[in-house]
Amino acid sequence: AQSVSQHNHHVILSEAASLELGCNYSYGGTVNLFWYVQYPGQHLQLLLKYFSGDPLVKGIKGFEAEFIKSKFSFNLRKPSVQWSDTAEYFCAVTRGGNNDMRFGAGTRLTVKP
Amino acid sequence: KAGVTQTPRYLIKTRGQQVTLSCSPISGHRSVSWYQQTPGQGLQFLFEYFSETQRNKGNFPGRFSGRQFSNSRSEMNVSTLELGDSALYLCASSLTWRTEAFFGQGTRLTVV
Repeated sequence: AQSVSQHNHHVILSEAASLELGCNYSYGGTVNLFWYVQYPGQHLQLLLKYFSGDPLVKGIKGFEAEFIKSKFSFNLRKPSVQWSDTAEYFCAVTRGGNNDMRFGAGTRLTVKP
Repeated sequence: KAGVTQTPRYLIKTRGQQVTLSCSPISGHRSVSWYQQTPGQGLQFLFEYFSETQRNKGNFPGRFSGRQFSNSRSEMNVSTLELGDSALYLCASSLTWRTEAFFGQGTRLTVV
């Protein structure tokens, strides 16, 4: 079945550590890729998106992601995490001209001060 | 600019009842999508509306339905509620297709 996979269920890091969260998808054709973040008690917020062009995408709060088409991957990175980055992170995919977003299971990030 | 507004925020319903949830998109946005979020199944796509037409539908039973009005506001309805329908229902609006989606705070539905 076509899906979006996030490899890590729960990641625990200390402040200033580097972060990489994996995301793979299994859809063919044109895809649009997103990372959303959900802070405790808050709504989903967009971190970054990829539609086309430069496969290295920079988002808010120092996050970036790289689209590697050959690997069907869109991994999220941040060089130095802060305690305030503690949240749940979701990778999502839409296909072609559709808006039906397919989400990964999410990765819970805990940053220890 | 006001965000996506969902009402009500919380609902408690009894099995067998029906429920209607409302979503007001960001002004000017014509696409509205609905999602169900549960601890077990995560975020699952329900349906998407654009200019009052359903464009896509997820893999949910016919008890789940929706509509969009001419002002882009959308409602979703769940009939004959089951315990398993307890979830956070999220609405997202987009300017058009292939643009980013903005999410509301959600409606927390509890079926008892």
